[in-house]
Parts: sequence; C-alpha cells; structure tokens
Amino acid sequence: QKEVEQNSGPLSVPEGAIASLNCTYSDRGSQSFFWYRQYSGKSPELIMFIYSNGDKEDGRFTAQLNKASQYVSLLIRDSQPSDSATYLCAVEGNYGQNFVFGPGTRLSVLP
Amino acid sequence: SAVISQKPSRDICQRGTSLTIQCQVDSQVTMMFWYRQQPGQSLTLIATANQGSEATYESGFVIDKFPISRPNLTFSTLTVSNMSPEDSSIYLCSVEGTGGTYEQYFGPGTRLTVT
Repeated sequence: QKEVEQNSGPLSVPEGAIASLNCTYSDRGSQSFFWYRQYSGKSPELIMFIYSNGDKEDGRFTAQLNKASQYVSLLIRDSQPSDSATYLCAVEGNYGQNFVFGPGTRLSVLP
Repeated sequence: SAVISQKPSRDICQRGTSLTIQCQVDSQVTMMFWYRQQPGQSLTLIATANQGSEATYESGFVIDKFPISRPNLTFSTLTVSNMSPEDSSIYLCSVEGTGGTYEQYFGPGTRLTVT
C-alpha cells in the first residue's frame, strides 16, 4: 500500500516569508510528484509537478525532489495571504493509474 | 488544460436512494478518474474510468455501490447507490493531462449530503 505523508499543520508564516511544505512517500518506485493547492470549498488546483531529482522553479514556487530520501517539498517565496490554503502532495508510479494523495498541509499566511 | 464540469454541484438525498453524478469535459480524454473527499480529509481514488472498458476500482470500493459509466471520451457518470450518511462527501472527477506527464485536473466537485 503506497503511503504519502505530510505534516497536517496548520503552518503559519508571516507575509513575505518563505513557506516550506514537506512530503514523504513510501513507494520507492514512484515516478511523478505533484503539488496541488485547495482553497476551502474548492477543488484541488495543480501548482506544479516534478519528475527528476533536484529543483524545479515556477514563479514564486519551487519544488524539490530527492528520490533517495523519498522526499519532495514545495517552497513558496514571498508568501501572500492569498496563498493560505491546504497544499496536497500527490505521488504517481504506474503511468498515471496510481495517484495517491497525502493528507494535506494547511498553510496560513499572516498579514 | 481541459474545462471540466460536474452536475449536480450539490445535493441533499435521503438514505437508501441513489444519486448519479455527471462529469463533462470540453475535449476528448483517455483517462477519467473519480475521487471522494470526506469532510476534513484528503482525496481518495474510487475508480479509473476508461472509455470502452469496465472501470477499475480501488480497494474498498465496489461496482455495486459505485457503478460508473464512460460512454465516450468526454463524459462519465458515477452513481452512489443505496446511500447512507457515511456517503456524505465531495465527489470529484478528474482527467489526465494530454502531455504524457500524468498530471490530473479536477472538476468543481459535487457536495453530497445524505440524511
């Protein structure tokens, strides 16, 4: 059974700070890693995905992957109150047919 | 990414009845997925729906309780049968991206309350 773990939070950061969200996974064969943002009452929205070890940057967001440690993270630079949401890590390892979501981390950016 | 709609957006149903949720996509997609998100919880995959074949159900979900149809490449339905209050959840459909990168895009969800 694949497992994906995240700190449930809430993680509180001041506006303008860097928010760091972490995710670990159990299946060493996992290939693809995704970060979703979910506002209360809304459906998940894809932020970014990463496949290779290292960093991937997209605007204020940076995803980091370390397959040896089975660890993926999301950094949000210059955090804004509008970033306050639940962030879901998802892991896939079977050509798209085996998506597993973590429990999510609730982020609160304080003005 | 594809535009996905779901009907109904919400419903309140009595126990013992069934509800069919529709998912419509504005472009043809191979893979469609149905998820459940119980209150305060993360997403749990119910089944994968491929056009022209039987849906593939995850452990803990059975076809008699959650029958799925996939008549074409833009449409799918999920039925929640013989409902009980434990079925109160948000039900989401998603589709896979077309770039071969396996990301999924979600519809707006159906909020179901069973009384």
